[in-house]
Amino acid sequence: EPEVTQTPSHQVTQMGQEVILRCVPISNHLYFYWYRQILGQKVEFLVSFYNNEISEKSEIFDDQFSVERPDGSNFTLKIRSTKLEDSAMYFCASSTSSGGPYRDEQYFGPGTRLTVT
Amino acid sequence: AQSVTQPDIHITVSEGASLELRCNYSYGATPYLFWYVQSPGQGLQLLLKYFSGDTLVQGIKGFEAEFKRSQSSFNLRKPSVHWSDAAEYFCAGLGSQGNLIFGKGTKLSVKP
Repeated sequence: EPEVTQTPSHQVTQMGQEVILRCVPISNHLYFYWYRQILGQKVEFLVSFYNNEISEKSEIFDDQFSVERPDGSNFTLKIRSTKLEDSAMYFCASSTSSGGPYRDEQYFGPGTRLTVT
Repeated sequence: AQSVTQPDIHITVSEGASLELRCNYSYGATPYLFWYVQSPGQGLQLLLKYFSGDTLVQGIKGFEAEFKRSQSSFNLRKPSVHWSDAAEYFCAGLGSQGNLIFGKGTKLSVKP
């Protein structure tokens, strides 16, 4: 069964460093998402991506964040200068639609735990 | 604003007992609602979804959920819990940006 994969499973970085979280969405999916979950809090939407550009983003997704689909398979989230409050579990998801008329499921990866020290 | 609330942080049930996990939503129009499950080290797996039509929806692993507009609820149920059901369960609604709006999750523990 196809699945979304994410690497690494755990990333430790120092404050101020850049990190790149990687995701490989399901191959025939068209919409890609990043969510994060700070320990003890809700899973929060960061950004959605379609047709090689950001389609929606939340207020959390500020200039420190960027996303990219550098090739036909990877989908990355970059944090330019990490802060302590960026420590969280980051989930990638993909779907064949944006939840519109087709209302398809968003398939989630296992997450990357980011720890900023 | 659209929101989803799961009032129970942690629930413990005995194996074989019935289960009900609560979810309340706050939406203007008819919401699209989901239940996801997350086992340790795993991603979020969809159990079931509600878009319209029959208010009782069946999902995988023997789960079902009932949409009750009058109570703004979408509670998840299972008649007989198995030890392998121990996990964290998330209720979510579809937001206006095509994103999912999650509740805080309910951790389910199963006693032998």
